Amino acid sequence: DSGVTQTPKHLITATGQRVTLRCSPRSGDLSVYWYQQSLDQGLQFLIQYYNGEERAKGNILERFSAQQFPDLHSELNLSSLELGDSALYFCASSASAGNTIYFGEGSWLTVV
Amino acid sequence: AQSVTQLDSQVPVFEEAPVELRCNYSSSVSVYLFWYVQYPNQGLQLLLKYLSGSTLVESINGFEAEFNKSQTSFHLRKPSVHISDTAEYFCAVSDIGNQFYFGTGTSLTVIP
Repeated sequence: DSGVTQTPKHLITATGQRVTLRCSPRSGDLSVYWYQQSLDQGLQFLIQYYNGEERAKGNILERFSAQQFPDLHSELNLSSLELGDSALYFCASSASAGNTIYFGEGSWLTVV
Repeated sequence: AQSVTQLDSQVPVFEEAPVELRCNYSSSVSVYLFWYVQYPNQGLQLLLKYLSGSTLVESINGFEAEFNKSQTSFHLRKPSVHISDTAEYFCAVSDIGNQFYFGTGTSLTVIP
């Protein structure tokens, strides 16, 4: 158990819908990362937050947004969903520079 | 920005044979180096990491990796693999800003 909690574990939704994925980082970790993993694109970095502020942005679509709340949990919002958004979405957290990032078990999103 | 190259996307190897998974990185600054492992239907787990000190780092399950600054490499090795080592392996680097960059992964398949 990495200490990073993601909900829901599985989600099936229709095209055009909107979903929210939730992440609780390890206790004390200030950084939260979101990654998307699919068969054709591999592991893609989406976005990083540090103590509530956006730190880095990767290949995140405009239809996607995220935020980190004062209690340090984070949410990834995916809207106008397309079939190609079906993937495993990982959240990870770390304490500070050079520290290991710890991954959650992921949220499986299936868009039908 | 940093980048990570994993030269082999798939590596099949017979049980009890040695294996090397290659990882090269490019960076103009000091970095920290990591190997993560992802077993089927699971999240990524830290296998080993190099932060400083001895350039040879070891994991608890027999893997080792050597940091080679002149060749900008961090190859992962194991002298004798087991069936249970079948998994996806990701090399990663992080910089002082705690941004993580992952390679595209190497799928290790151990053949009985």
